[in-house]
Amino acid sequence: GAGVSQSPSNKVTEKGKDVELRCDPISGHTALYWYRQSLGQGLEFLIYFQGNSAPDKSGLPSDRFSAERTGGSVSTLTIQRTQQEDSAVYLCASSSSQGKWDIQYFGAGTRLSVL
Amino acid sequence: GENVEQHPSTLSVQEGDSAVIKCTYSDSASNYFPWYKQELGKRPQLIIDIRSNVGEKKDQRIAVTLNKTAKHFSLHITETQPEDSAVYFCAASRRDTGRRALTFGSGTRLQVQP
Repeated sequence: GAGVSQSPSNKVTEKGKDVELRCDPISGHTALYWYRQSLGQGLEFLIYFQGNSAPDKSGLPSDRFSAERTGGSVSTLTIQRTQQEDSAVYLCASSSSQGKWDIQYFGAGTRLSVL
Repeated sequence: GENVEQHPSTLSVQEGDSAVIKCTYSDSASNYFPWYKQELGKRPQLIIDIRSNVGEKKDQRIAVTLNKTAKHFSLHITETQPEDSAVYFCAASRRDTGRRALTFGSGTRLQVQP
């Protein structure tokens, strides 16, 4: 694929339900990032993967949020017991980490609406 | 942690005029400063970036300047066109640590009036 792919593009769920968001990075990119963008706001960092490990999880807002990455490729962000304040666009980015100055390329995001 | 402030939050210019967006950062160890453009409903796209070893970088109508002493950097768009209308985000990161995540400003909505 040419770019970062995210699915679903839209997700509507009821408060209290669990959701899974998927990110497929650019082939060969070892670094993967999750960000959250609330309406009219900037992007807020959630978690960073290098390969399958997550050296930085400092942005996860609560223990309801978790993420994993398998095979150094696809990542899944899981939100348990969703709350209305979880409504946002969840963006994934990947980079090659070939050097210090790797550019992050973003996916189109998953728009999550919690009713 | 890093904190990035961005101003103004909205900016309206006439086609052909210049636009300037300013950001300040708090972590003196930050050394990478990208700018992203996000059109309505689209993904953020990198338009230009600057590294801490240079003070200015130019790419056609877009330029970015960095003042490490004052910890601020700016985006300059000259000869603005209607297609420049979008939200622009500045960001900062430390590229030489295990935390490569970007800290973003809150965004500037640029409107170019034809």
